[in-house]
Amino acid sequence: NAGVTQTPKFQVLKTGQSMTLQCAQDMNHEYMSWYRQDPGMGLRLIHYSVGAGITDQGEVPNGYNVSRSTTEDFPLRLLSAAPSQTSVYFCASSWTSPDYNEQFFGPGTRLTVL
Amino acid sequence: RKEVEQDPGPFNVPEGATVAFNCTYSNSASQSFFWYRQDCRKEPKLLMSVYSSGNEDGRFTAQLNRASQYISLLIRDSKLSDSATYLCVGVNAGNNRKLIWGLGTSLAVNP
Repeated sequence: NAGVTQTPKFQVLKTGQSMTLQCAQDMNHEYMSWYRQDPGMGLRLIHYSVGAGITDQGEVPNGYNVSRSTTEDFPLRLLSAAPSQTSVYFCASSWTSPDYNEQFFGPGTRLTVL
Repeated sequence: RKEVEQDPGPFNVPEGATVAFNCTYSNSASQSFFWYRQDCRKEPKLLMSVYSSGNEDGRFTAQLNRASQYISLLIRDSKLSDSATYLCVGVNAGNNRKLIWGLGTSLAVNP
């Protein structure tokens, strides 16, 4: 099993550009999440999905979109990048809700917005 | 007050030492907690779940003190490979059962 994979590992964008961060898992997990991690802020939930076709907003959803067309994939789209979106982004998955289940994280995407 | 608070450290200990961190939480209704470990520039990985009074896994022991609202993580016989940041995670009671992540405690185990 590859677990949770994320691409790209690093990305530099200019303000206003859009891009998609890819996330895939091969563990047949229903629950997937996107987090961002910033110094002094801890991990913050951006969006999450409880299954294919179902997504919901987390703590900091503004400026991001998600979709979940398959169980395996959960891409995160930045609509118009801003310097405030410079961060490390982690995708995570779990069998069901992570309040009772271990979350498996991808290796992260380090994004810089100039 | 933050909902989940941790001493950021760093804790510097020699190999073989016993070290303990605490994590305090403000929501007395929180039911379950986790300790995740995060190596430098890597992703978090689950170390231990804490659902009742505590949990033990080898050299690692987590204890939950509901009266004083803190969770502790005890590491015995520290190894160099234990050097990492340890993230405390609380689960809010209520309908959304939101995860609340602490900022982490940094541990450096020295030879």
